[in-house]
Amino acid sequence: EAEVAQSPRYKITEKSQAVAFWCDPISGHATLYWYRQILGQGPELLVQFQDESVVDDSQLPKDRFSAERLKGVDSTLKIQPAELGDSAMYLCASSSTRGSGSWYTQYFGPGTRLTVL
Amino acid sequence: TQLLEQSPQFLSIQEGENLTVYCNSSSVFSSLQWYRQEPGEGPVLLVTVVTGGEVKKLKRLTFQFGDARKDSSLHITAAQPGDTGLYLCAGAQGYGGSQGNLIFGKGTKLSVKP
Repeated sequence: EAEVAQSPRYKITEKSQAVAFWCDPISGHATLYWYRQILGQGPELLVQFQDESVVDDSQLPKDRFSAERLKGVDSTLKIQPAELGDSAMYLCASSSTRGSGSWYTQYFGPGTRLTVL
Repeated sequence: TQLLEQSPQFLSIQEGENLTVYCNSSSVFSSLQWYRQEPGEGPVLLVTVVTGGEVKKLKRLTFQFGDARKDSSLHITAAQPGDTGLYLCAGAQGYGGSQGNLIFGKGTKLSVKP
């Protein structure tokens, strides 16, 4: 069964350092999402891509976070500089939204657990 | 801001007991999804419900979507330790290319003791 791949699974960094996370969605999925999940909370959307275009980044802290999906396939989320409050699980999800009048399902990767010291 | 409220927030029960988790909102959703998440892992989809009043069964799990598509429930019969995890509901608004995003509840943390 196809899965969403993410790497690394765990990342420990010091504050003010730069970190990057990678996501490879399920093949053929046009929509890709990055979420942040603080321990004990539900995931919160950071950015949504449709193919290579950003369709929603209203919750992305753009002063330090950036995301790209250059060829409309895999994606990278970067934080620079990292702050203590960025410690969280970063989840990537993908969905196939082609076709009208259809509901969709998001499939999540295993996540990257970030710890900022 | 649309909110999905889940209750209870925490639930600790003995193996063999039944339980129900609730997901409520004042907003209408085109579909609602339930996920289970284990520590250190991403959420895994359990079911998607799309029709008001719909009931879906997955082995010992029964999911119901409210008639008005504003609320949902998850009932587990004869809970087992393997059911332990964080149960998340997530609502979607819109259809097709205008679906928007999933709105997640904060989750119900279930612990089933042997």
